[in-house]
Amino acid sequence: GDSVTQMEGPVTLSEEAFLTINCTYTATGYPSLFWYVQYPGEGLQLLLKATKADDKGSNKGFEATYRKETTSFHLEKGSVQVSDSAVYFCALSDRDSNYKLTFGKGTLLTVNP
Amino acid sequence: GAVVSQHPSWVICKSGTSVKIECRSLDFQATTMFWYRQFPKQSLMLMATSNEGSKATYEQGVEKDKFLINHASLTLSTLTVTSAHPEDSSFYICSASDWGGGFRNEQFFGPGTRLTVL
Repeated sequence: GDSVTQMEGPVTLSEEAFLTINCTYTATGYPSLFWYVQYPGEGLQLLLKATKADDKGSNKGFEATYRKETTSFHLEKGSVQVSDSAVYFCALSDRDSNYKLTFGKGTLLTVNP
Repeated sequence: GAVVSQHPSWVICKSGTSVKIECRSLDFQATTMFWYRQFPKQSLMLMATSNEGSKATYEQGVEKDKFLINHASLTLSTLTVTSAHPEDSSFYICSASDWGGGFRNEQFFGPGTRLTVL
């Protein structure tokens, strides 16, 4: 079945530091890949997505590239802000699984001033 | 566009009572809605998938008689936690999608409902 493995947190960074959160996946079909962000006490917001190999999703300074050869979708940001503190979830959606979302366990990011 | 709301945002109830949570798609027709449960500091666990006008499909291990799901219209799904107990306390999140309207393989999430059972 489908699965998503993302690096375990928590991750603590200083403001303006570089961020990488690793995510790898296994899927039976050709999945779409997503990064969601969850701020404290809130639901999930789609941060970015990619639907085919070599696509780069980007939003709010975050980027992730769909790498089929390494089955990865690592999240990066060049300079984090305190407001980026949240939990980040990597996820995939696969037609073979009827488009159900499969989530990673989430990575808590804390950015200190 | 693609806004999903949930009501209530939080609820406290006594053990043994039932609680209904609503999930609405505000600006699109949701042919499919999903219900998730999230424990503190953990990922989302899919509870069930509901398609408008048909019975929900529950994930393995989820009690369908305890978590009643109704998707009576293209903009509303409800989750009723029946005879709630403290172990049902959790954060419940819904999502919605419209497979035929260009949102294929994307879900839009509600803000969540915090349920506390005393």
